[in-house]
Amino acid sequence: AQSVSQHNHHVILSEAASLELGCNYSYGGTVNLFWYVQYPGQHLQLLLKYFSGDPLVKGIKGFEAEFIKSKFSFNLRKPSVQWSDTAEYFCAPGYGGGADGLTFGKGTHLIIQP
Amino acid sequence: DVKVTQSSRYLVKRTGEKVFLECVQDMDHENMFWYRQDPGLGLRLIYFSYDVKMKEKGDIPEGYSVSREKKERFSLILESASTNQTSMYLCASSLDKGLAGGRGEQFFGPGTRLTVL
Repeated sequence: AQSVSQHNHHVILSEAASLELGCNYSYGGTVNLFWYVQYPGQHLQLLLKYFSGDPLVKGIKGFEAEFIKSKFSFNLRKPSVQWSDTAEYFCAPGYGGGADGLTFGKGTHLIIQP
Repeated sequence: DVKVTQSSRYLVKRTGEKVFLECVQDMDHENMFWYRQDPGLGLRLIYFSYDVKMKEKGDIPEGYSVSREKKERFSLILESASTNQTSMYLCASSLDKGLAGGRGEQFFGPGTRLTVL
């Protein structure tokens, strides 16, 4: 089975700090990569996605992620976080050709202190 | 906008009861999925369906079954609920066709928080 690893389970930052959340996935051939976010009390929503092309992708709310194929990584970044970024973040690779759907990481709970 | 709705936000059931969780999507998506979400474990795939009457087991299908009689509706069934099935259940759908479409973008419902006493 394919796997994904999120490096940090809990992260606490102050407003305006820079953010980087790590994500590594296991090799599985063709892969699409997603970051989802779940704000408190809300449903999961797409933050950004990578299918092909430019490995630096931009998402909503100032987030971006870089696909580094040689490192099997897809780290999420934001230069300056806000209190409203407090949420749970999930990295989710999707592997081609199988019936597995997306493989979700265990999530990173991000808390931004005002 | 894609809309995925789930029949209940909160549900409380007793051990041994048969439980039905319903999910409906309104965008004619081919694929539908059921996950459970537990703290520290992320989302784990229970079952998914890529067509009407078709289903595939996910990572944790034990104790669950599913039904997809219509394209827009995907039901998760707990045949005999147990306390270890207390969890948040998330339904999702995606547009891409066929099994390979399982790696496409998924759209999620609000979730059903099930408590089994």
